[in-house]
Amino acid sequence: DQQVKQNSPSLSVQEGRISILNCDYTNSMFDYFLWYKKYPAEGPTFLISISSIKDKNEDGRFTVFLNKSAKHLSLHIVPSQPGDSAVYFCAASENTGNQFYFGTGTSLTVIP
Amino acid sequence: GAVVSQHPSRVICKSGTSVKIECRSLDFQATTMFWYRQFPKQSLMLMATSNEGSKATYEQGVEKDKFLINHASLTLSTLTVTSAHPEDSSFYICSLAGGRNEQFFGPGTRLTVL
Repeated sequence: DQQVKQNSPSLSVQEGRISILNCDYTNSMFDYFLWYKKYPAEGPTFLISISSIKDKNEDGRFTVFLNKSAKHLSLHIVPSQPGDSAVYFCAASENTGNQFYFGTGTSLTVIP
Repeated sequence: GAVVSQHPSRVICKSGTSVKIECRSLDFQATTMFWYRQFPKQSLMLMATSNEGSKATYEQGVEKDKFLINHASLTLSTLTVTSAHPEDSSFYICSLAGGRNEQFFGPGTRLTVL
């Protein structure tokens, strides 16, 4: 049972435009959410996170929005750069520990 | 963040053989490490949680006798895929728990079983 879902397997965006990656979850006990970036044949690297007490967190070009009532979060990248091309995973965890539940990933391609 | 290494990065083996994958924390003492598996175009699936000095906790559906985990020190956890079969071919990634809601991932190991 996939508790974290990313319904768009791929996304293409023109360089300089905004990339919006979406993530939905089903478990209302999740209280911490993260985005990871992954290149082929490499481990995921942490990008940005948000606690359930917030609805927005910004770090440079990356902003994560959380809508708890809709159980939805999104990652905005603006402006998008070719180096942002990678697979992006969202992950969620409960207050009880360190276990992460990952989405299936969205492959982002930024076209120069 | 913590630096995590995995060895080997890529391994090809014959069906029926066993393969050991090492996960090392280079600059952090990790009480807890995690092992994930990722099939092509699928999510990272947690296989087991490895605790230093005690038995690993396996997720539902993961055979503990097939995927042997040893976390003998604070800097090393190993995953041994015993009697590997082609369906075990996957990308195996370890991570260590840096604290609440922190995980640092290794670079992964690509296992191909012929």
